[in-house]
Amino acid sequence: SYVLTQPPSVSVAPGKTARITCGGNNIGSKSVHWYQQKPGQAPVLVIYYDSDRPSGIPERFSGSNSGNTATLTISRVEAGDEADYYCQVWDSSSDRYVFGTGTKVTVL
Amino acid sequence: EVQLVESGGGLVQPGGSLRLSCAASGFTFSSYWMSWVRQAPGKGLEWVANIKQDGSEKYYVDSVKGRFTISRDNAKNSLYLQMNSLRAEDTAVYYCARDVGGYSSGWLDYWGQGTLVTVSS
Repeated sequence: SYVLTQPPSVSVAPGKTARITCGGNNIGSKSVHWYQQKPGQAPVLVIYYDSDRPSGIPERFSGSNSGNTATLTISRVEAGDEADYYCQVWDSSSDRYVFGTGTKVTVL
Repeated sequence: EVQLVESGGGLVQPGGSLRLSCAASGFTFSSYWMSWVRQAPGKGLEWVANIKQDGSEKYYVDSVKGRFTISRDNAKNSLYLQMNSLRAEDTAVYYCARDVGGYSSGWLDYWGQGTLVTVSS
């Protein structure tokens, strides 16, 4: 089955840039979507189709996807960005959605 | 405003059954795929199942195939998850989510607040 691997944690100082990777076999051939989940809350879509932002999501959030790695980039990080982040794809070989292992972003 | 409200969670014994419901509002329910996603305590997200607009296609994660059934009632703007033969490892918060695409490159753009299912004796 298709596996998406994320780093367990990323730490970043306020105002700096956080990059969260999502690794998968030839993930560049798939559409990748990203979710933010704060403690005790439901996930929120922050990026879809690799790099598109839903309405209401700040421009500080951006995405890219190529080869075996997709990346969510958070620029000018704020304290409110502290959360768990998950990538997601559709795996056509098993007909199911697959989520990444999740990355906890800590703002120092 | 899109709203998704889950209900039906609770404590159930191993081997028991439970039916979750999700009431949708603020959008044309019959025009969207819908999904269930779960999250075990302290763990990551796991997609469970999804269903096409007219109910003609359904997909499941392997671990629930044959035990869980997803269904919908477009007249009532409601999504359901019938869960049978429940196991301890099914303990999780269950979210319903609006599914854009549903098959091949789809994503989940709105989520409910979730309902907790605890399987324990």
